Amino acid sequence: EADIYQTPRYLVIGTGKKITLECSQTMGHDKMYWYQQDPGMELHLIHYSYGVNSTEKGDLSSESTVSRIRTEHFPLTLESARPSHTSQYLCASSERVGDEKLFFGSGTQLSVL
Amino acid sequence: AQTVTQSQPEMSVQEAETVTLSCTYDTSESDYYLFWYKQPPSRQMILVIRQEAYKQQNATENRFSVNFQKAAKSFSLKISDSQLGDAAMYFCAYGGSQGNLIFGKGTKLSVKP
Repeated sequence: EADIYQTPRYLVIGTGKKITLECSQTMGHDKMYWYQQDPGMELHLIHYSYGVNSTEKGDLSSESTVSRIRTEHFPLTLESARPSHTSQYLCASSERVGDEKLFFGSGTQLSVL
Repeated sequence: AQTVTQSQPEMSVQEAETVTLSCTYDTSESDYYLFWYKQPPSRQMILVIRQEAYKQQNATENRFSVNFQKAAKSFSLKISDSQLGDAAMYFCAYGGSQGNLIFGKGTKLSVKP
């Protein structure tokens, strides 16, 4: 089992609410990622980070934001959730850039009503 | 730009039999990594097997092996002696100089008892 944790596991909220999805890893990995997984199971990279104070946007445009104040912590925030944000969100980390062996969290299934 | 194609959205195998999942990719790079990840229902995605492009020898991990054909840009996964626990989504992924993995759309594998 990888030492990367996501909370909550499931979240149901109303439109317009601000939410933060938590992701923490205890492996000391510099690089971390957020993926959005659509109902067809396809993975889309929405954010990544090379390390503390580094955040980059991924391939899929997202209204979410991320921060990386500590190596082990990479939270994702939605300022105003909408039904279109309903999805599975996966956090991952890797030990080094280039050899992209990823360790994944269990995911957060977000439902916005 | 690199692409990864998994042409089999769904596959089925009888328990104890062998199944092969297909993956092709497109790249102009000579150095890269290829991966197969497994995502069981409601569980963490985990790395199944990894192949460095400079290695001619096919990677193996217990019942899992790959057929890496660099010239053909093909990277298939063979699962021998299939078990019920092998039922999952399987994702092929490419890791190159751009730094982030490029995932295929996945193949859903069912295992029949």
